This record gives sequence, C-alpha cells and structure tokens, in this order.
Amino acid sequence: DGGITQSPKYLFRKEGQNVTLSCEQNLNHDAMYWYRQDPGQGLRLIYYSQIVNDFQKGDIAEGYSVSREKKESFPLTVTSAQKNPTAFYLCASLTGRGTEAFFGQGTRLTVV
Amino acid sequence: GDSVTQMEGPVTLSEEAFLTINCTYTATGYPSLFWYVQYPGEGLQLLLKATKADDKGSNKGFEATYRKETTSFHLEKGSVQVSDSAVYFCALQSLYNQGGKLIFGQGTELSVKP
Repeated sequence: DGGITQSPKYLFRKEGQNVTLSCEQNLNHDAMYWYRQDPGQGLRLIYYSQIVNDFQKGDIAEGYSVSREKKESFPLTVTSAQKNPTAFYLCASLTGRGTEAFFGQGTRLTVV
Repeated sequence: GDSVTQMEGPVTLSEEAFLTINCTYTATGYPSLFWYVQYPGEGLQLLLKATKADDKGSNKGFEATYRKETTSFHLEKGSVQVSDSAVYFCALQSLYNQGGKLIFGQGTELSVKP
C-alpha cells in the first residue's frame, strides 16, 4: 500500500541533543513538507522540498535542518538551537496544486 | 499574506445535531480549499476539497462550498455521529506562496455526545 511513514512515533530528547525524525513516502510525490503542531494551534510550516537535492525554509525554520537526498525520504533534524522543541511533528507529501496532501502519523517529541 | 480563520472550539453537540464550522480565508489569486480531520494521536486525513469558486466538496455526509464573494468555506453536516468527534482543520493552498504549501486554520475540536 502506498503511504507516508514517520518514525518514531514517540521521541524523547535531552537538553542539548540533536535528534532526527524520519519521513519516508512511496507515493512518488515530488513535494514534501514538515509541519509543527502545538496544542490548540494550527500547523506551522518548518521546511519544504519540491524536488530532490533542493529544499526551502518555511515559517519557523530556526533550530531545524533537513535533507532531501532521495525522492522518498525527507528527514528532519531538531537541533539544540531549537529552544522549545516539544511538539507534534507532521510530515506530508503531495503531487501538485489542488491535490490531496498525504500525512504521516506524526512524531511526538518531548524534551526531558 | 495568505491566512485562514476558523471558528474557535471546542464545539459540543448531541448525536444527530446539525454541524456548522465556519472558515474564512484571505489569499492572493484563486487558492484551492480543503477540510482535513485529525483523530487523537494521528496525522491529518483529507475530508473534502474544492478547487474553484462555487465548487462543492462532499464526503461522508460533510459538505462545504467555495464562496469567493464571501471568502468562505464553511463545513456542514446534517446529522453528526459520535464517531465524528475529532479536530477539523480548514486549509488553503496557493502556488503563489512557498511552493504550494498548505496554510491551516487553528483547528476546531468537535465532541459529539450520545
């Protein structure tokens, strides 16, 4: 079955650590996105990529980094520079304008 | 910039009640409009969409009409069920802004009681 897979589902980070969230899709979609969701808020765009080896900052990119070495994969690294990383992170992909965006199940990151 | 505003929740209804969740938008050009639903601890799923003015999206008894004159895309359902309890997000997509990203409202939590 085609879909988009995020792992892990839950992730705990110590202060000062970098952690990487995985996002893999087998839908053959060109565009991929990372969103952050905080309680009672909408989704805010962190980074996006429209093609392999290219990505752009979204609205809240500070403290995050990404790579897009393969069409299927778009990992997100939450660095120690991100001061408030506790949130629910969602990865999405889509093929173009007006088409459905497919979302992963999300990763809940907690700083301990 | 482009934005989406939804009515605040939580919304609590009895089973079989009528549902309306208001959504208005501000956008350059002619965006596509969407409603997504999120169940607890999960990602978002597309509920319905409309890509041009006067289009009506519908799915699972939910409907929304793209109203350009009022810049609105209100979600309605004639008779809600307990299984409809979830968070609903209105969203727009414009290719003029950051590569076709989806811009979301803040979400409206719906709770349906038996």
